[in-house]
Amino acid sequence: GESVGLHLPTLSVQEGDNSIINCAYSNSASDYFIWYKQESGKGPQFIIDIRSNMDKRQGQRVTVLLNKTVKHLSLQIAATQPGDSAVYFCAENRGAGSYQLTFGKGTKLSVIP
Amino acid sequence: EAGVAQSPRYKIIEKRQSVAFWCNPISGHATLYWYQQILGQGPKLLIQFQNNGVVDDSQLPKDRFSAERLKGVDSTLKIQPAKLEDSAVYLCASSLTGEDTEAFFGQGTRLTVV
Repeated sequence: GESVGLHLPTLSVQEGDNSIINCAYSNSASDYFIWYKQESGKGPQFIIDIRSNMDKRQGQRVTVLLNKTVKHLSLQIAATQPGDSAVYFCAENRGAGSYQLTFGKGTKLSVIP
Repeated sequence: EAGVAQSPRYKIIEKRQSVAFWCNPISGHATLYWYQQILGQGPKLLIQFQNNGVVDDSQLPKDRFSAERLKGVDSTLKIQPAKLEDSAVYLCASSLTGEDTEAFFGQGTRLTVV
């Protein structure tokens, strides 16, 4: 069936390095994607989103890239900090104009001081 | 601004018992969602409300799960009777309109069924 998934379950990076978290999706009709950060014991927190008519979108220290040809999404975090340690989820919005999100399994990012 | 409030934070029950979770969304948010997050997985949508009406409950196991939002503000999610596989974190989220507006999540209720 249709799903949103992640390539790597865990990622360890040195503080100050850049992090790249990848995500594959299978529904070619998906037109809106979101990255969430979830710290232990907390709910998911919105990081950045991107629509299918875009290839790249930048925020503060984060960049999301979308490759529709291979149905791949990535989140780049610049100058990774200890506070970035969390589980990162990509999600696709399948409901037309709504926030009915389908989440992937998540990647755990650990920042080594 | 106050966020989405959920209670209780933790709940442990025996299988076949009943349990209820409560959610108070951000003031003024018309849309409310309940998600189930099993350990090691991403959240899965259970039900979406727009004001006090159900927009989508296609993934809600209706034989044991029920949810209501009677006055279009607070919401409760109930499980009766609970099964071991219901052990999960139940997340409530709300958004202003439900259409291309960011959803804010509460901290969740961690349910353990033994």
